[in-house]
Amino acid sequence: SYVLTQPPSVSVAPGKTAMITCGGDNIGSQNVHWYQQRPGQAPVLVVFDDDDRPSGIPERFSGSKSGNTATLTVSRVEAGDEADYYCQVWDTSSDHQVFGGGTKLTVL
Amino acid sequence: EVQLMQSGGGFVQPGGSLRLSCSTSGFTFGNHVMKWVRQAPGKGLEWVAYISSGSVTVHYADFAKGRFTISRDNAKNLLLLQMQSLRVEDTAVYYCAREPENSGCSDYWGQGALVTVS
Repeated sequence: SYVLTQPPSVSVAPGKTAMITCGGDNIGSQNVHWYQQRPGQAPVLVVFDDDDRPSGIPERFSGSKSGNTATLTVSRVEAGDEADYYCQVWDTSSDHQVFGGGTKLTVL
Repeated sequence: EVQLMQSGGGFVQPGGSLRLSCSTSGFTFGNHVMKWVRQAPGKGLEWVAYISSGSVTVHYADFAKGRFTISRDNAKNLLLLQMQSLRVEDTAVYYCAREPENSGCSDYWGQGALVTVS
């Protein structure tokens, strides 16, 4: 089955840039989506189709891909960005939706 | 305003059954793929099931095949998940989620329903 690999945790100081990676075989051919989940809340879509932002999501959130890795970048990090972040693709070979294991972003 | 309101969670013994509902409003329900996603306590997100807009196509995670059934009633703007033969490891918060018309992401989510199998 298809696997997406994320680092368990990323720490960053306020005002700095956080980069959360998501690795998977041939991820370049997949549309990658990113979600933010604060404790006790439902996930919120922050980036879809690799690098698009839903309305209402700050421009500080951006997505990119290179090789077998997709990256969510959070610029000018704020305390309110502290949350778990998940990447997601639809694996067409199995017709299964796949989530990465999640990355806890800690704002120092 | 798009809204997904869930109901039906609760306690159930192993081997039992439970039905989750997701009542929607604020959009044309029949135009959208819908999904169920779950999250075990302290764990990550896990996809459960997918249903196409007209119910023609359904897909299940391996753990859900043969035990869970996703369905929808487009006339009532309602998404359902019937779960049977429940196991302790099915304990989780279950979310319904909408897929937008031109992307495989999930842009709106329900508030979640806790299912405890014990």
